[in-house]
Amino acid sequence: GAVVSQHPSWVICKSGTSVKIECRSLDFQATTMFWYRQFPKQSLMLMATSNEGSKATYEQGVEKDKFLINHASLTLSTLTVTSAHPEDSSFYICSAQGGRTSYEQYFGPGTRLTVT
Amino acid sequence: AQSVSQHNHHVILSEAASLELGCNYSYGGTVNLFWYVQYPGQHLQLLLKYFSGDPLVKGIKGFEAEFIKSKFSFNLRKPSVQWSDTAEYFCAVMPSTGGFKTIFGAGTRLFVKA
Repeated sequence: GAVVSQHPSWVICKSGTSVKIECRSLDFQATTMFWYRQFPKQSLMLMATSNEGSKATYEQGVEKDKFLINHASLTLSTLTVTSAHPEDSSFYICSAQGGRTSYEQYFGPGTRLTVT
Repeated sequence: AQSVSQHNHHVILSEAASLELGCNYSYGGTVNLFWYVQYPGQHLQLLLKYFSGDPLVKGIKGFEAEFIKSKFSFNLRKPSVQWSDTAEYFCAVMPSTGGFKTIFGAGTRLFVKA
């Protein structure tokens, strides 16, 4: 089946620093990737939609200058949390659209970010 | 605004009990519907999906869901749950217009007692 990986799986950083999270589709080409944020015991909140070779589309209320998304290839999208603050601590999940059925999303295992 | 409502936040069942998790959405157009499952410590996995055709869809592990267009619902069912079904279940809706954007419900935590 389609596999999506994320790296790192867990990161701790100091307030004010930037953190980059990678999302890769391992065995298929993903025309579209999505970035979600999941707070404890809550659902996934879509942050942005990333299409290969074009600018990401951010959801209302998501700061595009803070959460930089780059979709450099059909198998890689990156999310950079710039000048991280403790309130950015969360679980970030990516998904990739593609594979055998274009409507299906395949989810990565998530990255837990803790900002101290 | 488009939204997805899951009626039960927490459900506790004994093994062999029947399960039904409610899901309603607000969107007037054509939609694709999904149920995802997240087992403890694991990432989201697709349980089943509806794109078109027979409104009763069958998924993995004995789950099924019925799309009732008039009620904007897509309830998840399983006749007899097992302890291994303990997980969080998310209903999700993808409007046919919107660039594959998917809206998730708040999730339902199911705990099955052995």
